[in-house]
Amino acid sequence: DAGVIQSPRHEVTEMGQEVTLRCKPISGHDYLFWYRQTMMRGLELLIYFNNNVPIDDSGMPEDRFSAKMPNASFSTLKIQPSEPRDSAVYFCASSLVRPGLAGGPTSQYFGPGTRLTVL
Amino acid sequence: DQQVKQNSPSLSVQEGRISILNCDYTNSMFDYFLWYKKYPAEGPTFLISISSIKDKNEDGRFTVFLNKSAKHLSLHIVPSQPGDSAVYFCAASAYNNNDMRFGAGTRLTVKP
Repeated sequence: DAGVIQSPRHEVTEMGQEVTLRCKPISGHDYLFWYRQTMMRGLELLIYFNNNVPIDDSGMPEDRFSAKMPNASFSTLKIQPSEPRDSAVYFCASSLVRPGLAGGPTSQYFGPGTRLTVL
Repeated sequence: DQQVKQNSPSLSVQEGRISILNCDYTNSMFDYFLWYKKYPAEGPTFLISISSIKDKNEDGRFTVFLNKSAKHLSLHIVPSQPGDSAVYFCAASAYNNNDMRFGAGTRLTVKP
């Protein structure tokens, strides 16, 4: 398996523009997570899906952020309009089972990330 | 609200010596803990984990210790190697919750 695939790897845009980040999870993984990494706060969970359904979006910072998972092999994270403070590395991760389930493969597999710069 | 804290943003160690990375958590419901390793321009990769029913888990050069009463865990790497230089994230999860909380990470540099 190719692992979790994210695109683009780098995105530079101007304030006010719409940004769409894409993710293809590992085939067969029922859980998909979107994270944001910043120097100040480390890795923050934004939202996660189970079987394509959003389960918890409490980490989404503002209404400018939205995420969708139209099918089991594709998810998007959209920022509209983007602001300079959104500059960060955004990671997508997938998992076979939910985190914390003892006895199972609980680790999440992360994609390489998308480095977003909003000017 | 930082439920998982890594108070040391960086750590520098000589090759061959022990590296100790620390992590504190505040949520007593956490019962599973993981360490991830991240190289530049790559996503984090799973390194080692520990369940709350244990206080130690060892995998080769990597050992994780859990002190539930202190809500503290640590990752020991011995002997440290230059290839261990990376950012290490601590993560915690609860059985009745489906998400994980990560710390801010500690950048480990192992000098030859």
